[in-house]
Amino acid sequence: EAGVVQSPRYKIIEKKQPVAFWCNPISGHNTLYWYLQNLGQGPELLIRYENEEAVDDSQLPKDRFSAERLKGVDSTLKIQPAELGDSAVYLCASSSGQGSYEQYFGPGTRLTVT
Amino acid sequence: TQLLEQSPQFLSIQEGENLTVYCNSSSVFSSLQWYRQEPGEGPVLLVTVVTGGEVKKLKRLTFQFGDARKDSSLHITAAQPGDTGLYLCAGAWNTGNQFYFGTGTSLTVIP
Repeated sequence: EAGVVQSPRYKIIEKKQPVAFWCNPISGHNTLYWYLQNLGQGPELLIRYENEEAVDDSQLPKDRFSAERLKGVDSTLKIQPAELGDSAVYLCASSSGQGSYEQYFGPGTRLTVT
Repeated sequence: TQLLEQSPQFLSIQEGENLTVYCNSSSVFSSLQWYRQEPGEGPVLLVTVVTGGEVKKLKRLTFQFGDARKDSSLHITAAQPGDTGLYLCAGAWNTGNQFYFGTGTSLTVIP
């Protein structure tokens, strides 16, 4: 079974530029999460989807961040414009959401804003 | 803001030593998880505990959930270099499937 796929793995951009990250969850997983992780710290939730509906986006900085999961499968997270403080690893995770507590994580996208 | 505090933040030990990592909060959890993350990878689930006082063992790892369900510990016996990584606890405050992660403990086991 294929795991959670994320691309790109690494991205370097200049501040004020836009950037987008893509995630393909495990097949059949209805719940999808986007997290931000700073070096050596725990992941912080940005947004959670149940199918195509965003059920928790309270921590998403909506002035510059946006996300979509149009068909309830893969998802895109966008930052526009990027700031220096956005440098971090962006993790995507999925779970079956059927009484299962386990989240399966992708390898993440490491973003560097210069 | 992360409401789950882990200690210590960093830990460097020799192979064969024992260690304990703590996860604390002022809130009561419905369930708590422990993950391990290696560099360049996403976290991988080790265990989920749901009952106060529950103890689970996974080979050399022992996980305990506090009686009041506000804290947890991870004990590793005879640490090996392969145990090196970032250990994360994650707690859920209701019966939903949203877990919030702790601050993390970075463990280095020196051969």
